[in-house]
Amino acid sequence: GNSVTQMEGPVTLSEEAFLTINCTYTATGYPSLFWYVQYPGEGLQLLLKATKADDKGSNKGFEATYRKETTSFHLEKGSVQVSDSAVYFCALQTQGGSEKLVFGKGTKLTVNP
Amino acid sequence: DGGITQSPKYLFRKEGQNVTLSCEQNLNHDAMYWYRQDPGQGLRLIYYSQIVNDFQKGDIAEGYSVSREKKESFPLTVTSAQKNPTAFYLCASGRQERNSPLHFGNGTRLTVT
Repeated sequence: GNSVTQMEGPVTLSEEAFLTINCTYTATGYPSLFWYVQYPGEGLQLLLKATKADDKGSNKGFEATYRKETTSFHLEKGSVQVSDSAVYFCALQTQGGSEKLVFGKGTKLTVNP
Repeated sequence: DGGITQSPKYLFRKEGQNVTLSCEQNLNHDAMYWYRQDPGQGLRLIYYSQIVNDFQKGDIAEGYSVSREKKESFPLTVTSAQKNPTAFYLCASGRQERNSPLHFGNGTRLTVT
């Protein structure tokens, strides 16, 4: 079946540090890949997405590249801020509508000043 | 502003009581979803609806029920049959297109004692 595996957290960084959150997936066909972010006490928001191999999604300084050869979609940011503290979810969507959206378990990031 | 409204934010119930969580959207989305979020488990799909008066079970539908009488509204009832109902519940909506992101409400935290 389809699945998403994220690195386990929590991840704690100092402000301006480099961030990588690993995400790998297993899917039939050619999925679309997403990163969602959940700030404390809120629902999830779409952070970025990539719909085909070698696409790079980017938003708010975050980037992720769809790597079909390694079935990965790692999230990166060159310099994190305290306001980036949140839980990050990797997700994939296979054919069909959003009911086929499969989420990873989430990675909690804390950025200290 | 368009969005999804979940109410209440916090809900407390005694064991054995049914409880209904509200979800309203004004985004004109056809599809609506209910997810359950537990620590370390990510998001799990409870029910979803792609059109008024129709809905399908997700991965963990047992002990839950829904209705979709209006496009804007998708209430979730947590019944006394749900063995472990204490959790954070998230409602989402989306368009019926591939790669279309989900929009989430801010969630309801249900505590059953």
